[in-house]
Amino acid sequence: AQSVTQLDSHVSVSEGTPVLLRCNYSSSYSPSLFWYVQHPNKGLQLLLKYTSAATLVKGINGFEAEFKKSETSFHLTKPSAHMSDAAEYFCVVSGASGNTGKLIFGQGTTLQVKP
Amino acid sequence: GAVVSQHPSRVICKSGTSVKIECRSLDFQATTMFWYRQFPKQSLMLMATSNEGSKATYEQGVEKDKFLINHASLTLSTLTVTSAHPEDSSFYICSARDHILATGVGDTQYFGPGTRLTVL
Repeated sequence: AQSVTQLDSHVSVSEGTPVLLRCNYSSSYSPSLFWYVQHPNKGLQLLLKYTSAATLVKGINGFEAEFKKSETSFHLTKPSAHMSDAAEYFCVVSGASGNTGKLIFGQGTTLQVKP
Repeated sequence: GAVVSQHPSRVICKSGTSVKIECRSLDFQATTMFWYRQFPKQSLMLMATSNEGSKATYEQGVEKDKFLINHASLTLSTLTVTSAHPEDSSFYICSARDHILATGVGDTQYFGPGTRLTVL
């Protein structure tokens, strides 16, 4: 079975400082992992995804994540936070093997960016 | 590309009425769409998988007779909340997989903007 744990429910950073949002996963299969962002009362936007290619994945808006199998982690980082990055972030793992397409969501991390 | 729309974006209804929410893939075909609900400050919970031309697959604990799903075409899935009650108030989000690009578990899902349902 697959599961994903976001280690921080809330992260607060100052504008211009680095961002680190932590995610650990559990999977019986080679997982596909995603990070999505959700702004208030909006749908989800894909930031990046890992699907067994390069372990360092670059996404949109300067975000990147590194897949570390030994640590079962897929942490999201950004060198310099911008006010517009304030949002809810979800780490997501694909469901069971096969073509089901089901996604399993972490509980979310709220990113606050202070001026 | 890869845009998913939902209609309406916000709906308020009286208890006991039914509400239909539409999910459309605007520039791609989707044999599979997914319906989620999200409570305030919580994560998304998958309700059901909508398959074009066949019955939806519901997650455990989701009442199929209350949340009717129809996926009549490759670009449209509808969720009808029947006999809505205040506890059904939530944010409903759909997503879709590209039919042509779909290969397996690594497929990207494209999410709609969500529908805020308030039942009085």
